[in-house]
Amino acid sequence: AQTVTQSQPEMSVQEAETVTLSCTYDTSENNYYLFWYKQPPSRQMILVIRQEAYKQQNATENRFSVNFQKAAKSFSLKISDSQLGDTAMYFCAFMITTGNQFYFGTGTSLTVIP
Amino acid sequence: NAGVTQTPKFQVLKTGQSMTLQCAQDMNHNSMYWYRQDPGMGLRLIYYSASEGTTDKGEVPNGYNVSRLNKREFSLRLESAAPSQTSVYFCASSDIPRGNYEQYFGPGTRLTVT
Repeated sequence: AQTVTQSQPEMSVQEAETVTLSCTYDTSENNYYLFWYKQPPSRQMILVIRQEAYKQQNATENRFSVNFQKAAKSFSLKISDSQLGDTAMYFCAFMITTGNQFYFGTGTSLTVIP
Repeated sequence: NAGVTQTPKFQVLKTGQSMTLQCAQDMNHNSMYWYRQDPGMGLRLIYYSASEGTTDKGEVPNGYNVSRLNKREFSLRLESAAPSQTSVYFCASSDIPRGNYEQYFGPGTRLTVT
């Protein structure tokens, strides 16, 4: 079975500081993609960053970066220089390349404090 | 290019009523999905359609039916609504056969069953 665990239901960070959101997953497959999605109060799901499991280099998108540890099945998201607009629910997800289903975690609610 | 659209945005039903949630995408994607989002539970897959003409059950299919009307449209039907189906429903699409593993989401439908 494929599972995704986000152990931090809520987090907060001061504006301009750095915060790391945790995610672990479980799969017996070797080829898969990992994602972080952001859901602001508007409810729209927005892709933040993605990582191909076969790539050792960690993905980076501007202030967002991941720490991908394949052996540990860990995929954390680091947000640098936090901004008020980063306040949102963040979901970790993955899908195996031979399947059609995405598996989502339960989300982490992040609040950026001015 | 509107992406993924959903109608309606909000709906209130009485127990036992039926309704259909509509979803359409204009990105020529093969795969389409229906999720429900409940507090503390993340996104759970109801049904998906890997390609036109096929549909498969996800994690929580009971009480729902789907129709993949054509490549663009994927509808979700509640035949006899129950209060347990109060949720936010998201439609998503992706283009897995062409290696686009990202899911693109619609804006969601907030459904309340009284």
